[in-house]
Amino acid sequence: GQSLEQPSEVTAVEGAIVQINCTYQTSGFYGLSWYQQHDGGAPTFLSYNALDGLEETGRFSSFLSRSDSYGYLLLQELQMKDSASYFCAVRYDSGNTPLVFGKGTRLSVIA
Amino acid sequence: DSGVTQTPKHLITATGQRVTLRCSPRSGDLSVYWYQQSLDQGLQFLIQYYNGEERAKGNILERFSAQQFPDLHSELNLSSLELGDSALYFCASSAEMNTEAFFGQGTRLTVV
Repeated sequence: GQSLEQPSEVTAVEGAIVQINCTYQTSGFYGLSWYQQHDGGAPTFLSYNALDGLEETGRFSSFLSRSDSYGYLLLQELQMKDSASYFCAVRYDSGNTPLVFGKGTRLSVIA
Repeated sequence: DSGVTQTPKHLITATGQRVTLRCSPRSGDLSVYWYQQSLDQGLQFLIQYYNGEERAKGNILERFSAQQFPDLHSELNLSSLELGDSALYFCASSAEMNTEAFFGQGTRLTVV
């Protein structure tokens, strides 16, 4: 099946940088997305990578290496409000197929 | 506000019962996806509709069914409910070939 691997939990200090990794199955890979979900809330879109390299959006960046079937989300200048679950998600075959989600990484930002 | 509306927000029902969850996608989005999220779990894809037709099926139980209507809103029907069906059910929508999916606020279903 199509499965994604990401760490279950990460803890980091306010103001620091944290990287959340994600590996995925290669066959039919179309693109890698990242979503943030606060407790009790809806997943919200953070970033998308289809080509190798780094995409930067403010304090958040996302990286993709298609040859390694690997990507990561980088969060800089961590704030307490960044405490949430972060999901990597992959589309296979096209841009109109369902997102397959990883199990999520729970990020705790501490003072 | 994502533009995706789900009703109801909360639902408490007994085992064996049947419920219907409703979703209105963002204006113009033809694709609707249903996901189930159990406690501390990831989002499990259930089913996708595109412009009224079933496009893809995931881990959806036979007791569950869905449809998308001509006005593009969608309904997820859950029947013969079991305690294990208690979860958050999310609807998401996206435009054709758009990589971003927009999620509704979810329906929290509790089966007692």
